[in-house]
Amino acid sequence: QVQLVQSGAEVKKPGASVKVSCKASGYTFTTYSIHWVRQAPGRRLEWVGWINAGNGDTRYSQNLQGRVTFTTDTSATTAYIEVTSLTSEDTAIYYCARGAASTLWGQGTLVTVSS
Amino acid sequence: IVLTQSPGTLSLSPGDTATLSCGASQTVNNNYLAWYQQKPGQAPRLLIYGASSRATGIPDRFSGSGSGTDFTLTVSRLEPEDFAVYCCQQYGSLPYTFGQGTKLEIK
Repeated sequence: QVQLVQSGAEVKKPGASVKVSCKASGYTFTTYSIHWVRQAPGRRLEWVGWINAGNGDTRYSQNLQGRVTFTTDTSATTAYIEVTSLTSEDTAIYYCARGAASTLWGQGTLVTVSS
Repeated sequence: IVLTQSPGTLSLSPGDTATLSCGASQTVNNNYLAWYQQKPGQAPRLLIYGASSRATGIPDRFSGSGSGTDFTLTVSRLEPEDFAVYCCQQYGSLPYTFGQGTKLEIK
């Protein structure tokens, strides 16, 4: 069926990097963009950016610009988000979603940054 | 664009009508305003897009209205499963932004 399945929870130390995957199935992967949204504990949802799965074009939030990279593997119908130089402020659930106003979301991946 | 939702918490009973507001600091281009429902431990669920269009499978008890900078989500005849957090999102201008959420709780 049509779904996005994300990789499992991660625990990282400050200064480390994390890479989260988002496996798409049930639709033509390259037809849609993949958006990344995160939610820190007790905070509002925060749009991180998107990648056009067809041509690889990307847009990033200025809040994370320079520390975040989106990639895709079209043969594996998988999108990735990598965040570098992690701090405790990056502790959040990271979601992938298909398109901007999306009916299709991944289940979320908890990334915990702690020493 | 900063989105501000009110009220922060709304206490109502099943069968009541909920009216939630979302105000934007600037005009939302093309009225690209979405409403989501979020329950603990779950991803957001799209209810409304384009300010007033219901997403597939969403009951007609949910309706969206408004334009420009002022938007409203109305939930009629509240059901027990409707008690959750609701947030708005604008996707008309980069960076896309979300409101802080309104918690709809059982009175």
